[in-house]
Amino acid sequence: VQLVESGGGFVKPGGSLRLSCSASGFVFRDHFMAWIRQTPGKSLEWVSYIVLTGDTMYYADSVEGRFTISRDNAKNSLYLEMNSLRVEDTATYYCAKVRGAGYDTDFWGQGTQVTVS
Amino acid sequence: QSALTQPASVSGSPGQSITISCSGSNSDVGAYNFVSWYQQYPGKAPKVIIYEVGLRPSGVSHRFSGSKSGTTASLTISGLQAEDEADYYCSSYTISSSLFWVFGGGTKLTVL
Repeated sequence: VQLVESGGGFVKPGGSLRLSCSASGFVFRDHFMAWIRQTPGKSLEWVSYIVLTGDTMYYADSVEGRFTISRDNAKNSLYLEMNSLRVEDTATYYCAKVRGAGYDTDFWGQGTQVTVS
Repeated sequence: QSALTQPASVSGSPGQSITISCSGSNSDVGAYNFVSWYQQYPGKAPKVIIYEVGLRPSGVSHRFSGSKSGTTASLTISGLQAEDEADYYCSSYTISSSLFWVFGGGTKLTVL
């Protein structure tokens, strides 16, 4: 299993970024996926979750209305569109594969750093 | 402030056993058996070492074990080794309508 995130960077408050996660080593279309972030203080926070077909998404209150999760099963890819970024969104963003029934994760990518300042 | 409470640090000598607690509520740890534990080395991604309270993924040492009592989950590492020095986080699926998972604040394990 491999998950490779990209798209992080340095952005000013109010700016936008689009994160990507390229998946391999498993049948991507058969797994729910999620984004989880880790703040500079090392706290972990669930950000977003998407079902198999991509037609249902869930968001943490802190990002609702600003972030959009999506997936392209043909490209084995997961995305996170982040708009109206805030200083408090500064974190390492991890793409995570969700285990089986959807209640926990079983593999995380190496992460991509997002700095809003 | 994290939803789940873990000690900030624990330490032990090689060969000893240590236990890290993870205190939650009846909305998360107490409500479901979907408690996971993660091991994280500096600059690396968290790795799942325990899932569904006490199950170990393939390849994870049998020295790692998990349990739960009420609203508190625990991770025990037996036969401590220098390579176990890392940060450990717990997580739980939650009944909250606005969250999927809640996490602990992490515990720094030092092997003396």
